[in-house]
Amino acid sequence: RKEVEQDPGPFNVPEGATVAFNCTYSNSASQSFFWYRQDCRKEPKLLMSVYSSGNEDGRFTAQLNRASQYISLLIRDSKLSDSATYLCVVNIYGGSQGNLIFGKGTKLSVKP
Amino acid sequence: NAGVTQTPKFRVLKTGQSMTLLCAQDMNHEYMYWYRQDPGMGLRLIHYSVGEGTTAKGEVPDGYNVSRLKKQNFLLGLESAAPSQTSVYFCASSPGLAGEQFFGPGTRLTVL
Repeated sequence: RKEVEQDPGPFNVPEGATVAFNCTYSNSASQSFFWYRQDCRKEPKLLMSVYSSGNEDGRFTAQLNRASQYISLLIRDSKLSDSATYLCVVNIYGGSQGNLIFGKGTKLSVKP
Repeated sequence: NAGVTQTPKFRVLKTGQSMTLLCAQDMNHEYMYWYRQDPGMGLRLIHYSVGEGTTAKGEVPDGYNVSRLKKQNFLLGLESAAPSQTSVYFCASSPGLAGEQFFGPGTRLTVL
């Protein structure tokens, strides 16, 4: 099983739609969790951290289920500018791969 | 405050040539990283550094060497480039192991 798995998409949605991305991770020792956003031909940038209690930032809601080793990102009222690839990222302290393990990303395309 | 910068932005090499990619950060971060990103593979860690004068291997270190002689700079070297090293290379830095990594704009390398 891969360490961090995401549905690659693409997710093609109309403006105003609600879209949800899911991510599973295999290492139960994972300590912290993030969603990064990567625009085409650009570098990844932090979108939001994911906390055990769940957290919301405007139209974006992230949730963590440690028991199921599952992370989600919900985007409400999608905008054209939300089109990007969303990377699920897990922090494993002391891992041989450094600390952050990146999923391959889920591509979102928001259409007019 | 430039954040993380990478030099060069683009490069074409012939098989067997050598080159050095330079990463610089002005945020006084202790930790620096080199990743490569290939289609369908996601971000993979090549080498990382937890402080000036230290380096460690990541997931895919073969064919690369690194040096961190100054805290603000992290160099990635290819001694004898191979077509399999055609990729987009991202440098990142972070203040600690637990939080956000800040990425540079990337270097697009093609090895013919």
